[in-house]
Amino acid sequence: DTEVTQTPKHLVMGMTNKKSLKCEQHMGHRAMYWYKQKAKKPPELMFVYSYEKLSINESVPSRFSPECPNSSLLNLHLHALQPEDSALYLCASSQIDSFNEKLFFGSGTQLSVL
Amino acid sequence: AQSVAQPEDQVNVAEGNPLTVKCTYSVSGNPYLFWYVQYPNRGLQFLLKYITGDNLVKGSYGFEAEFNKSQTSFHLKKPSALVSDSALYFCAVRDANGGSQGNLIFGKGTKLSVKP
Repeated sequence: DTEVTQTPKHLVMGMTNKKSLKCEQHMGHRAMYWYKQKAKKPPELMFVYSYEKLSINESVPSRFSPECPNSSLLNLHLHALQPEDSALYLCASSQIDSFNEKLFFGSGTQLSVL
Repeated sequence: AQSVAQPEDQVNVAEGNPLTVKCTYSVSGNPYLFWYVQYPNRGLQFLLKYITGDNLVKGSYGFEAEFNKSQTSFHLKKPSALVSDSALYFCAVRDANGGSQGNLIFGKGTKLSVKP
């Protein structure tokens, strides 16, 4: 299994809603990532988890809250989002958090905030 | 500070012709270079990487890239383009002087369009 699975594929939420994005991999990878991608732009790193511990937070607003319950799962909890947060949210994983490791990406969750 | 530039927003190629997608980089130490491809409504897929060794790197789907240290370039190439190669291509760089994957910097992306 060389897949990173993200659910849901599409999400529409209001600014007062609470929702969660989920990501799962069964490749034994110990590093997992959240990226945000606006249309026709490169992905922007949000968070990095290494061995289930948050290692990097790229100054992301607190309305985004990551969680790594175990080595296979990564969640992104959303609360009180703004319309400008609408984007494709990509989860990725790698064997370890190292400079020469390739990333495996999920297909993403297309989020629309109304 | 490290950076990567993809000078072309779009590259148009006829099927069967060779293709080149350009990438230049700037790092303070030794570069670690990657190419990823993104098909519509999908995540990114790894194509190839240069870490050290042979300057010509071969990757997935018949793609290759040539590392040129003097020109600080890492252009993506394919001898014969397919319509199915049409996608968005991202070059990415990481400076070996750092510690984690968190400093992987992506270029803005180049849209490749291959016409039959």
